[in-house]
Amino acid sequence: AQTVTQSQPEMSVQEAETVTLSCTYDTSESNYYLFWYKQPPSRQMILVIRQEAYKQQNATENRFSVNFQKAAKSFSLKISDSQLGDTAMYFCAFMKAYNQGGKLIFGQGTELSVKP
Amino acid sequence: GAVVSQHPSWVICKSGTSVKIECRSLDFQATTMFWYRQFPKQSLMLMATSNEGSKATYEQGVEKDKFLINHASLTLSTLTVTSAHPEDSSFYICSAIYRSSYNSPLHFGNGTRLTVT
Repeated sequence: AQTVTQSQPEMSVQEAETVTLSCTYDTSESNYYLFWYKQPPSRQMILVIRQEAYKQQNATENRFSVNFQKAAKSFSLKISDSQLGDTAMYFCAFMKAYNQGGKLIFGQGTELSVKP
Repeated sequence: GAVVSQHPSWVICKSGTSVKIECRSLDFQATTMFWYRQFPKQSLMLMATSNEGSKATYEQGVEKDKFLINHASLTLSTLTVTSAHPEDSSFYICSAIYRSSYNSPLHFGNGTRLTVT
């Protein structure tokens, strides 16, 4: 069975600074996807970034980037130039290859507060 | 873009009654829908996987007679919480996928907050 672990329940960062959220996972699959989702107080799930396990290059989306270490089974999220609107709960998630169903296994979440 | 509509967004019911939550894909055909449950300040826990025209697959520990899932069409899945009790109070979120292929994104509904009194 797959597991996803986020060891930082809460984090805070000053506006405009950089913060890194940690995530580790465990799987015996060779083909899978990893995600970071943002859940603001509205509780809408918003996809931040996606990484395919077979790609060595780390995914980036504007101010968001990941450090994907496949051998170490680590998938951290870096948020640069933090903004007040980044305040939210962040979930790391694992999914087997799409053709195997598409269900997500979520980590426990990290509550990020961006302070002015 | 693709949208998943979840209804109602908030429902209060009395203990012992049943509540139905709808998850509807508005502009795509959802071959598979997923139902998650989220307690305050906690993660999303997968309850069941719903495939159109077949019985739902429930995760271990989820009572299938308690949480009835129906996926009668490619655009609609429903979750019915039967004989609800206060411990069923939670946030329920659905997600949908419209093709099991590499580029198929997952889309989430806005969730339903259930309060059982």
